[in-house]
Amino acid sequence: KAGVTQTPRYLIKTRGQQVTLSCSPISGHRSVSWYQQTPGQGLQFLFEYFSETQRNKGNFPGRFSGRQFSNSRSEMNVSTLELGDSALYLCASSAGQNNSPLHFGNGTRLTVT
Amino acid sequence: DAKTTQPTSMDCAEGRAANLPCNHSTISGNEYVYWYRQIHSQGPQYIIHGLKNNETNEMASLIITEDRKSSTLILPHATLRDTAVYYCIVGASGSRLTFGEGTQLTVNP
Repeated sequence: KAGVTQTPRYLIKTRGQQVTLSCSPISGHRSVSWYQQTPGQGLQFLFEYFSETQRNKGNFPGRFSGRQFSNSRSEMNVSTLELGDSALYLCASSAGQNNSPLHFGNGTRLTVT
Repeated sequence: DAKTTQPTSMDCAEGRAANLPCNHSTISGNEYVYWYRQIHSQGPQYIIHGLKNNETNEMASLIITEDRKSSTLILPHATLRDTAVYYCIVGASGSRLTFGEGTQLTVNP
């Protein structure tokens, strides 16, 4: 079974721009979660989508948004980029039951200059 | 979610068992114990999870104490490729996880 695929692998943007990251979950998985990883804050939960609906949300500003399509693929958008948004953005999919474990992709490395 | 405490770093000889401890004294009855690991520049990899019974899969074994206040992840025959940061996470939701600092496991030849 193919794993979680994230595109692009690397991205460089300038302050004030917006960015869209893409995630294809494992086939059959209906839940997609997004995490941000930085050296200072570690891995932090952004949000989770299940059946095209946001089911959980972390403590990030409204500039961070996401959506999920009917085929379970998900996108994450960050608007008005700030230098502090430079991070590794990780997508993870799961079967969607409450204790189902996450299966992560290898992330998109975003650099904001 | 309950907080976990792990040693910052551990060493293990190649071929020997690696036993990684985790304390979670405030765990609630509906919270699971999850273990993930992360090799540099890759996404975290799921290893194993459990509620109260010991669990084993092809990667590792998870031993949870009877009072559920601590657990141990066992890699039975560590290899150099097992060098990674290992995260012990406790939570009721498998998707909304609070990652701590984890344990840097170094497997030495």
